[in-house]
Amino acid sequence: AQKVTQAQTEISVVEKEDVTLDCVYETRDTTYYLFWYKQPPSGELVFLIRRNSFDEQNEISGRYSWNFQKSTSSFNFTITASQVVDSAVYFCALSEAQVYSGGGADGLTFGKGTHLIIQP
Amino acid sequence: NAGVTQTPKFQVLKTGQSMTLQCAQDMNHNSMYWYRQDPGMGLRLIYYSASEGTTDKGEVPNGYNVSRLNKREFSLRLESAAPSQTSVYFCASSEDSWEGGETQYFGPGTRLLVL
Repeated sequence: AQKVTQAQTEISVVEKEDVTLDCVYETRDTTYYLFWYKQPPSGELVFLIRRNSFDEQNEISGRYSWNFQKSTSSFNFTITASQVVDSAVYFCALSEAQVYSGGGADGLTFGKGTHLIIQP
Repeated sequence: NAGVTQTPKFQVLKTGQSMTLQCAQDMNHNSMYWYRQDPGMGLRLIYYSASEGTTDKGEVPNGYNVSRLNKREFSLRLESAAPSQTSVYFCASSEDSWEGGETQYFGPGTRLLVL
């Protein structure tokens, strides 16, 4: 069975500090997909990134970067120079690949989330 | 282009009452999903639909039924609400692909309180 662990329940940092959110996953599949979502105080879920298991290149998007390491089953998320607007709950999620059989769908397995607080 | 919409935004029920949560998407996606979010639990999959006319159970299906009315709409029904079903419910949709793992886009959520 697949599992996602976000061991950090809550992190509080001062604005402009760098912060890393940890995500460790378990799966028996060799092909799988990893995601990060942001849930701001308003409650909606905002997609941030999707990564497949064959692409271990790190990704950078502005102040956000992601470090995928298959050797440690981790997909960590770093925010550089954090801002108050980054305050949110961040979820890591896993999806295992499905062989197409006339219609494929695959639910996400979510971690419990990390509540990130950026203090001014 | 509204994406994924959900109605109602908030609902209060008494134990034993029934209700249907509505979800619609305008992205022409084949796959749709229902999740519930409880404090400290992340999101858990209730039911999903790979295409019009098909539905499958997720991790926590007990106490719920679903209907994939057409390609756009996927409803979640509570036949006899219980306090344990107090939660925030999210609908999502994604494109279909032969390998799965497509990005899911979420609606704004429905906050349900069962007294």
